Amino acid sequence: RKEVEQDPGPFNVPEGATVAFNCTYSNSASQSFFWYRQDCRKEPKLLMSVYSSGNEDGRFTAQLNRASQYISLLIRDSKLSDSATYLCVPSRGGYQKVTFGIGTKLQVIP
Amino acid sequence: DTAVSQTPKYLVTQMGNDKSIKCEQNLGHDTMYWYKQDSKKFLKIMFSYNNKELIINETVPNRFSPKSPDKAHLNLHINSLELGDSAVYFCASSQGIQGSNEKLFFGSGTQLSVL
Repeated sequence: RKEVEQDPGPFNVPEGATVAFNCTYSNSASQSFFWYRQDCRKEPKLLMSVYSSGNEDGRFTAQLNRASQYISLLIRDSKLSDSATYLCVPSRGGYQKVTFGIGTKLQVIP
Repeated sequence: DTAVSQTPKYLVTQMGNDKSIKCEQNLGHDTMYWYKQDSKKFLKIMFSYNNKELIINETVPNRFSPKSPDKAHLNLHINSLELGDSAVYFCASSQGIQGSNEKLFFGSGTQLSVL
């Protein structure tokens, strides 16, 4: 099983829709989780951090399910500017390298 | 001011040449990284330095040599460039060790094309 698995998409959704992505991770020792957003031909930028069961920031909600080893990202009221690739990153702590998922591509259409 | 800056943004060169990519961060972070993103968009860590000391060295050909003159700079030198080295290279930094639940701040990337 890959360390991080994401559906690469693309997810094509209309403006205003609610969309959710899942990310599964294989290492149960993962302690915290991050969602990064990467626009086409740009660098990844941190979107949200998840340290406990979940986190909410405006239209974005991240949920962590440790028992099933997945985290999800929910985007409400999608905007055209939300079009990007969303990368999931679990972190184990210490000197452990982290692995980025391949990302889920979201395309919000008018 | 750009937090993590890397130069050049684009680098086009011939096979066999030697090239360098520079990276500087003004965030006061202790840890810096080099990542490679290939055509399939996988983002893979290459190296990590904490306070000028190498802490992560992934399976990278020894043609790639990072150099950290101080904790604000991490440069990447590549010898004898090959076609397969073509990719986007991202520099990044974090306050502590990445694995310790730290957030990463990325530079804008260097698109390397080897002809």
